[in-house]
Amino acid sequence: NAGVTQTPKFQVLKTGQSMTLQCAQDMNHNSMYWYRQDPGMGLRLIYYSASEGTTDKGEVPNGYNVSRLNKREFSLRLESAAPSQTSVYFCASKSERGGFFYNEQFFGPGTRLTVL
Amino acid sequence: GQQVMQIPQYQHVQEGEDFTTYCNSSTTLSNIQWYKQRPGGHPVFLIQLVKSGEVKKQKRLTFQFGEAKKNSSLHITATQTTDVGTYFCAGFKAAGNKLTFGGGTRVLVKP
Repeated sequence: NAGVTQTPKFQVLKTGQSMTLQCAQDMNHNSMYWYRQDPGMGLRLIYYSASEGTTDKGEVPNGYNVSRLNKREFSLRLESAAPSQTSVYFCASKSERGGFFYNEQFFGPGTRLTVL
Repeated sequence: GQQVMQIPQYQHVQEGEDFTTYCNSSTTLSNIQWYKQRPGGHPVFLIQLVKSGEVKKQKRLTFQFGEAKKNSSLHITATQTTDVGTYFCAGFKAAGNKLTFGGGTRVLVKP
């Protein structure tokens, strides 16, 4: 089991460029999440997907779009990157075994994005 | 909206000493989780607390959930260099379906 994988690991963009961050999990989890991590700010939820075919906004969704392509994959798209989107992006997944609230989240290794 | 605050933001600890980090929520939580992130790494789940007043131990780590289910603490005894990292608490609110993370406590250990 690879767990949660993310690509790319590093990316540098110029302001206005677009890109898609990819995330996949092989644990058959229904729920998937995208977070951004900035120094001193902890992890802030961008979007999440409780099941295939559904997505919902989190705390900081502006400037991002997501696609839950299938049960395994959840991608995050920046249509027009801005310097304020320089951050580390983590994808996570969670099972609902035993109840929705009561399971741990498994995180991917992260994508370190710099927008110039 | 729901807010989860952690103090201190930074903790410098002499190797062998004990310390405690605190997590406070603005609203009552259904459960709380703790994660550890090593420098350059990703968050890794440590433990979950569900019941009011619950205390759980993992070797030198003791986790506590407050009676009102609005706060939690992590106490580490005899700190080691392997304890270096950032510790996050994250709370689930009963009516919500996502975790809210605190800002984390970054632990630095002086040998």
